[in-house]
Amino acid sequence: DAGITQSPRHKVTETGTPVTLRCHQTENHRYMYWYRQDPGHGLRLIHYSYGVKDTDKGEVSDGYSVSRSKTEDFLLTLESATSSQTSVYFCAISEVYNQPQHFGDGTRLSIL
Amino acid sequence: KQEVTQIPAALSVPEGENLVLNCSFTDSAIYNLQWFRQDPGKGLTSLLLIQSSQREQTSGRLNASLDKSSGRSTLYIAASQPGDSATYLCAVEAGARGFQKLVFGTGTRLLVSP
Repeated sequence: DAGITQSPRHKVTETGTPVTLRCHQTENHRYMYWYRQDPGHGLRLIHYSYGVKDTDKGEVSDGYSVSRSKTEDFLLTLESATSSQTSVYFCAISEVYNQPQHFGDGTRLSIL
Repeated sequence: KQEVTQIPAALSVPEGENLVLNCSFTDSAIYNLQWFRQDPGKGLTSLLLIQSSQREQTSGRLNASLDKSSGRSTLYIAASQPGDSATYLCAVEAGARGFQKLVFGTGTRLLVSP
């Protein structure tokens, strides 16, 4: 299995608080992705990175920011969490663009 | 905007049966199509990746086909086993080349009964 660790695995927080999710990889892959998975919507891309300090927006980026200061870490921040951001968040990595993406086990985030 | 649809949403079969899962996409300008498996509470596991220039890929009991012109892909599972029970998702790579921005379907939940 690809070495991808997401932390925390579960989190419950309140509306309006900032939240940071971490994705750590040991594969030295160039590409990293954050998705959210919601019933009826499948997985949707939030942000992605194609190198250190190189990031761009995905389909559902409003309310989220990311940072990648090292190859191995990709952080997703909810600056002021809302109940609509309750979801399961997945990190994925890819070595090159035409190879399969490998996924972490997800973070279940509940915002009350 | 690319949209991916998977039919059926759920499927229940007895062990040993051959089965086909369907995936359709609205924009044929894709670079590749990927099939994934997701077990409850887990992340996605890549099963097969078909480049846009290919017609099919095989791995063990799995065979995936791609018809870009009609916007369809099928995942064929031979001699199904209870361990195949999972949700199967397809995804197409769309948008700017080189970043592998995937658009996912909502999946087919498969249950194989002993």
